[in-house]
Amino acid sequence: NAGVTQTPKFQVLKTGQSMTLQCAQDMNHEYMSWYRQDPGMGLRLIHYSVGAGITDQGEVPNGYNVSRSTTEDFPLRLLSAAPSQTSVYFCASSYSAGGYTFGSGTRLTVV
Amino acid sequence: GENVEQHPSTLSVQEGDSAVIKCTYSDSASNYFPWYKQELGKRPQLIIDIRSNVGEKKDQRIAVTLNKTAKHFSLHITETQPEDSAVYFCAASLGFKTIFGAGTRLFVKA
Repeated sequence: NAGVTQTPKFQVLKTGQSMTLQCAQDMNHEYMSWYRQDPGMGLRLIHYSVGAGITDQGEVPNGYNVSRSTTEDFPLRLLSAAPSQTSVYFCASSYSAGGYTFGSGTRLTVV
Repeated sequence: GENVEQHPSTLSVQEGDSAVIKCTYSDSASNYFPWYKQELGKRPQLIIDIRSNVGEKKDQRIAVTLNKTAKHFSLHITETQPEDSAVYFCAASLGFKTIFGAGTRLFVKA
């Protein structure tokens, strides 16, 4: 099992550009979430999904979209990148209401 | 919505001493409380968890306690070692939604 795979690992965007952060898991986990990690602020929930076709907003959803067309994939789209979206992004998945397995993260810089 | 506060933000201990990290949560309906360890440049990893129907759980040198009435839970690390140095996050879950505390940076001095 590869676990949770995130791509890319690093990305630099210009303000106003859009992009998609990819996340895939091969553990047949129902729950998947996206978090952003900023210094001193812990992990903040962006969006989460409880299964294919079902998504919901977390603490900081503005500027991000998600979809869940399959159990395995949960991409995060940045619609129009802003410097405030410079962060490390983690995708995570879990089976039922249990602990997360995290991906290795994507370090995004918006200039 | 749920809010999780974590203290202290930084903790420095001597090797062999104990370390305690405390968290409070706001939503009394939260029913699952995991703890994660994140080493520098790496992903968070689950180290221990507790559910709302349990008051205490122990795994070797780490233990977690939960006080539902007061809405707080704590992580206890005994006989600390240099490899315990990391950032530790508490979290509170209600169903499918997990909210994290801001983290505690633990330094274990040899």
